[in-house]
Amino acid sequence: QKEVEQNSGPLSVPEGAIASLNCTYSDRGSQSFFWYRQYSGKSPELIMFIYSNGDKEDGRFTAQLNKASQYVSLLIRDSQPSDSATYLCAVNGEYGNKLVFGAGTILRVKS
Amino acid sequence: DGGITQSPKYLFRKEGQNVTLSCEQNLNHDAMYWYRQDPGQGLRLIYYSQIVNDFQKGDIAEGYSVSREKKESFPLTVTSAQKNPTAFYLCASSIGLGGGEETQYFGPGTRLLVL
Repeated sequence: QKEVEQNSGPLSVPEGAIASLNCTYSDRGSQSFFWYRQYSGKSPELIMFIYSNGDKEDGRFTAQLNKASQYVSLLIRDSQPSDSATYLCAVNGEYGNKLVFGAGTILRVKS
Repeated sequence: DGGITQSPKYLFRKEGQNVTLSCEQNLNHDAMYWYRQDPGQGLRLIYYSQIVNDFQKGDIAEGYSVSREKKESFPLTVTSAQKNPTAFYLCASSIGLGGGEETQYFGPGTRLLVL
C-alpha cells in the first residue's frame, strides 16, 4: 500500500515568516508530486506540481523534491493570514496509477 | 467558464435510502474521480473513470456505485449498504491518468448527512 505522510500540525508561523511543509512518500517509483491548499469547508485547490528533483518556484511558493530521500516540501515565503489552511500533498506513481493523498498539514499564520 | 460543478451542496439521507450525488465538468477531461473526506483525514478514492462507459473501484468502493454514460458526467450513488455515509464528497477530473496529464481539479463538494 502506497503511503504519503504529513505532519498533521498545526504549524504556527508569524505573518511575514517562511512556512515549511513536508511530505514523505513510500513508493520509490513515484514520478509526479502535487501540493493542494484546502480552506475549511472548501474543496482542495492546486497550488503547484513538481516532477524533477530540485526546486520549482511560483510566486511566494517553492516546491522542493528529493527523490533519493523520498520527500517533497512546500515553502511559503512572506506568509499571510490568508495562507491559513490545510495543505495536502499528493503523489502519483507510474502511468495509470492514481494520486495518493496525505492527510494534510494545518497551517496557521498569526498576524 | 470551465470547471466542475457538484450538486447538491448539502444532502440528507434517511435510513435505508439511496441517494445520488451529481458531478458535471466542461473541461473536456477524460478522467473523473470520486473521493470521500472525513474530518481530519485525507482523501480516499471511491471510484474513478478513465473513459466513457468504463470505471474502476478505488480503495473504498463498497456501498457506492457510479456510472459514466457521458464524458461530462460522473454521478455517484450512495446505497443503503454504506453504513457510515456521513462525509464530504469530492469529485475531480484530469486530462488523463498519467504522463503529465494526471493533475486533478476539484469540484466544490457535497456534504452528506444522515438523518
